[in-house]
Amino acid sequence: DAGVTQSPTHLIKTRGQHVTLRCSPISGHKSVSWYQQVLGQGPQFIFQYYEKEERGRGNFPDRFSARQFPNYSSELNVNALLLGDSALYLCASSLARQGGQETQYFGPGTRLLVL
Amino acid sequence: DAKTTQPNSMESNEEEPVHLPCNHSTISGTDYIHWYRQLPSQGPEYVIHGLTSNVNNRMASLAIAEDRKSSTLILHRATLRDAAVYYCILAGSARQLTFGSGTQLTVLP
Repeated sequence: DAGVTQSPTHLIKTRGQHVTLRCSPISGHKSVSWYQQVLGQGPQFIFQYYEKEERGRGNFPDRFSARQFPNYSSELNVNALLLGDSALYLCASSLARQGGQETQYFGPGTRLLVL
Repeated sequence: DAKTTQPNSMESNEEEPVHLPCNHSTISGTDYIHWYRQLPSQGPEYVIHGLTSNVNNRMASLAIAEDRKSSTLILHRATLRDAAVYYCILAGSARQLTFGSGTQLTVLP
């Protein structure tokens, strides 16, 4: 079975530009979450979507937005890029079980470099 | 979210058992204890989770203290491929995972 896939794998942008990152969940998974991982730190939660509805949002500015499509794939958008947005962006999918028991399956990530 | 405390780094010899500790003194009754690991240049990978009882799977064992204020991830025979950052995470009603800094495990040949 295919795991979580993300595209692109690497991306270089300049300050002020906009970026769109894409994620396809594991077949049958209806929940997608996005995380940002800055070098040397653990991943930080950005968004979670379930059945196209936002179910959770982390402490990130409004420049970050996301959406989930009817096929459960998802996009993360970041506007007005800053140097500090350089990071590994991780997507995770899950079956959306009862809270606490949910296992998340992560993709390989998109590495974004902002110059 | 309740917080976890883990050592920054640990070393182990190949083919020996590894015990990775985690303290979570403010855990609530409904928090599950999850462990994920992240190999170099990869996304995090689920290892194991539990609520109160000890748990075993093909990757590892999870030993949970009776008062649930600490837990230990046990790798029975460490291999070089087990070198990774191991994260101990408490998951409650909120479905997002709150990662700390984790423990960097180095496996020596």
